[in-house]
Amino acid sequence: EAQVTQNPRYLITVTGKKLTVTCSQNMNHEYMSWYRQDPGLGLRQIYYSMNVEVTDKGDVPEGYKVSRKEKRNFPLILESPSPNQTSLYFCASSWGGQLAKNIQYFGAGTRLSVL
Amino acid sequence: AQSVSQHNHHVILSEAASLELGCNYSYGGTVNLFWYVQYPGQHLQLLLKYFSGDPLVKGIKGFEAEFIKSKFSFNLRKPSVQWSDTAEYFCAVGGTDKLIFGTGTRLQVFP
Repeated sequence: EAQVTQNPRYLITVTGKKLTVTCSQNMNHEYMSWYRQDPGLGLRQIYYSMNVEVTDKGDVPEGYKVSRKEKRNFPLILESPSPNQTSLYFCASSWGGQLAKNIQYFGAGTRLSVL
Repeated sequence: AQSVSQHNHHVILSEAASLELGCNYSYGGTVNLFWYVQYPGQHLQLLLKYFSGDPLVKGIKGFEAEFIKSKFSFNLRKPSVQWSDTAEYFCAVGGTDKLIFGTGTRLQVFP
């Protein structure tokens, strides 16, 4: 089954404790992206990757890191989480190309609370 | 600057009522437009898309949207909503490197 898998689905942590949210897709997609969803703000892009070893900042990259060492995986790293990073996070993937990369397949989401 | 505006933040309807959700965009280039839907507790999924051609596009579950270039709009419509349409709806415009989402419209349909 074609899917984007995020783990964990729920996470409660404390300020400053490094964490990683994993994202894996089994569709051989070139393009992957991370979003955060906050009430009243919709989805905002954090980072994206056009292919292996190619990553770039989205609209709200501060406090986050990503890596793309393999095509299927695109982990999101919070080196020192803060309460303002409490949010719902979505990973998405799509084929490359000007049009195709806008048809994105989303993971189920990770709800993160930073205390 | 590229942006997407959804002016209806929360819409409440009874079953069988007609639906129209507004979406306006600002984008300097060839426009690719999308509506995504997020059912309660689920991930986003594509509802419909417009790349070119017929400005009236049909999507899944009886939804349709009309691209009106002169009004920079891409409103979502459904003639008769069902309780199962309760969800959050996001309009998006496809940019060079990313999708730009609106803030979403929460639709609640009561039986």
